[in-house]
Amino acid sequence: EDKVVQSPLSLVVHEGDTVTLNCSYEVTNFRSLLWYKQEKKAPTFLFMLTSSGIEKKSGRLSSILDKKELFSILNITATQTGDSAVYLCAVERFGNNDMRFGAGTRLTVKP
Amino acid sequence: IAGITQAPTSQILAAGRRMTLRCTQDMRHNAMYWYRQDLGLGLRLIHYSNTAGTTGKGEVPDGYSVSRANTDDFPLTLASAVPSQTSVYFCASSLGLAGAPQYFGPGTRLTVL
Repeated sequence: EDKVVQSPLSLVVHEGDTVTLNCSYEVTNFRSLLWYKQEKKAPTFLFMLTSSGIEKKSGRLSSILDKKELFSILNITATQTGDSAVYLCAVERFGNNDMRFGAGTRLTVKP
Repeated sequence: IAGITQAPTSQILAAGRRMTLRCTQDMRHNAMYWYRQDLGLGLRLIHYSNTAGTTGKGEVPDGYSVSRANTDDFPLTLASAVPSQTSVYFCASSLGLAGAPQYFGPGTRLTVL
C-alpha cells in the first residue's frame, strides 16, 4: 500500500535553531514530492521536487529529494516564531490524481 | 475573488441531513480536488476533477458526490450526513499539468451531530 510517513510528528525549538523535517515514501509511479506549510487554515505551497539531489531553496527554507532512498528533507535555518506551523509532505504519482499526504510535522518555535 | 473560496466557513449539521459544500476558483485552473483533514490522518482525497465535465474518485469517496458543470465551481455533496463525516474539508485546484502544484482554499469545518 502506498504511504507517506513524516517525522517527527512534533518538534519544539527556540528561535535561531535549525530544524530538519523528514518525509519518507513508498508509492508506485512516483512523479513528484511536494511540501506545504499549514498555519491556521489552508496549506500553502512551498516546494515541488522531482529530481534527486537538486536542492530547492527559498530564503531560510530548503529541501532536497533522494529518489533512491525514497525520502525528502525540509530544512529551516535561523527559525523564527512565524515558522510555527504544521508542515505537510505529499507525493504525486503518474497517471493518478490521488496525491497522498503524510500526517504532518507540527513545528513550534519559541521566542 | 482572488484564488479559491469555500462556503460555508463552518457548519453544524444533524445526522441524516443533506449538505453541499461550495468551492469556486477564479484562476481558470483545469483540475479541482476535495480533501478532508482529520487529526492524525492528514489530508485525504475524496473526489477530483481533471476538467469541466469529468470527475473521479479519490481515496475516501464513500458518502460524497461531486459535479463539475463548469471550470470555476466544484461543489461537494453529502447526501445523508453521518457523524464520521465530521472533519475539515479543503478544496484545491491546479493547472492539472505535470509539475503544477495544487493550491488550497481556506477550508470548511463541518460538524455532524
